[in-house]
Amino acid sequence: SQKIEQNSEALNIQEGKTATLTCNYTNYSPAYLQWYRQDPGRGPVFLLLIRENEKEKRKERLKVTFDTTLKQSLFHITASQPADSATYLCALDSSAGKSTFGDGTTLTVKP
Amino acid sequence: DGGITQSPKYLFRKEGQNVTLSCEQNLNHDAMYWYRQDPGQGLRLIYYSQIVNDFQKGDIAEGYSVSREKKESFPLTVTSAQKNPTAFYLCASSNALGGAGGYTFGSGTRLTVV
Repeated sequence: SQKIEQNSEALNIQEGKTATLTCNYTNYSPAYLQWYRQDPGRGPVFLLLIRENEKEKRKERLKVTFDTTLKQSLFHITASQPADSATYLCALDSSAGKSTFGDGTTLTVKP
Repeated sequence: DGGITQSPKYLFRKEGQNVTLSCEQNLNHDAMYWYRQDPGQGLRLIYYSQIVNDFQKGDIAEGYSVSREKKESFPLTVTSAQKNPTAFYLCASSNALGGAGGYTFGSGTRLTVV
């Protein structure tokens, strides 16, 4: 069956360091993969989308990689700030107009 | 500003009642979706609609119903058949099938059974 795994439920890092979040998947062949940020009690906010033929995509301090051989996406936040503390979700397109979301990784950036 | 409006923000349901969650968008998106989120978990797809007057079941449609009479509106009814309805409900829309341009989410409705 199709499965998405995001690395450890919680990730704690020091301000200024680079946060790296992982999204692994099995039994998918996604055409694209998305990353979202979700704050407590709020809806997710779209951050980045990367397509299967793209290896890397950047947006300001954010960088996403997509390795279809390893079936893995890495999401990096450089020069992290306490304001980056949130839960980050990855989503893969599955079939017929649907996407499947991972359970998320909660990032805490300590000053 | 364009966006998605969900109402109410908090909703309390008695056992055996049906309740309807509202979702309105002014983004001119064709596709709309309903997700359920339980604590510490990801989003699970309840129903989705790619066009007016058409919708499909998602992964956990049992106990829920929807309608899509207007492009802007996609209300979700949680029926008494849903045995464990307490959750955070999120509505989303996209301008491309399957969210290829990214999903825009509402701020959610938290439903509690009392």
